[in-house]
Amino acid sequence: SQTIHQWPATLVQPVGSPLSLECTVEGTSNPNLYWYRQAAGRGLQLLFYSVGIGQISSEVPQNLSASRPQDRQFILSSKKLLLSDSGFYLCAWSQIHTGQPQHFGDGTRLSIL
Amino acid sequence: SQQGEEDPQALSIQEGENATMNCSYKTSINNLQWYRQNSGRGLVHLILIRSNEREKHSGRLRVTLDTSKKSSSLLITASRAADTASYFCATDTGANSKLTFGKGITLSVRP
Repeated sequence: SQTIHQWPATLVQPVGSPLSLECTVEGTSNPNLYWYRQAAGRGLQLLFYSVGIGQISSEVPQNLSASRPQDRQFILSSKKLLLSDSGFYLCAWSQIHTGQPQHFGDGTRLSIL
Repeated sequence: SQQGEEDPQALSIQEGENATMNCSYKTSINNLQWYRQNSGRGLVHLILIRSNEREKHSGRLRVTLDTSKKSSSLLITASRAADTASYFCATDTGANSKLTFGKGITLSVRP
């Protein structure tokens, strides 16, 4: 069966520090991968999605970037965190065929001080 | 932008009662999905209904879709305290299975 791992679960970082959040998927090949951010009491905002290695689409302009160095690895990064980067970050995957559900990791709670 | 809008924003019911949650959207869709999120956790996919379907069942869940009104409803029958969670609708317009989520409905089921 497929599983998705996301770490760390919580992270407290100072303003201006770098960020690296990692997500890996097991049990499937060539998945679509997604990074979302969820503000408190709000829905999910799609940040990035990827349909293959090295292929990243950004949905909103921001202080973050994403990379997909391997088929089942998706990384969310920042060179300098802002206070506004605080939030709950979720990684998800889906099969490549259209009309498929997404499967989520347990998220990373990021607090910027 | 958030296409799906759920209604109500919060719902509190007694265990055993039915819970009905509604979702409206604005553009044409390929399918509409409902997800559940327990506090501090990731989302769990509940059910997917395609644009050519009108109703779908899964256990205690019943989902309807009215594409003419651009709306969907999620019914949870015989609710349990364990159903307490946030519920989100998400629309899929067909591009790389990208989903647009609503803000969610907070359901509280009192024991």
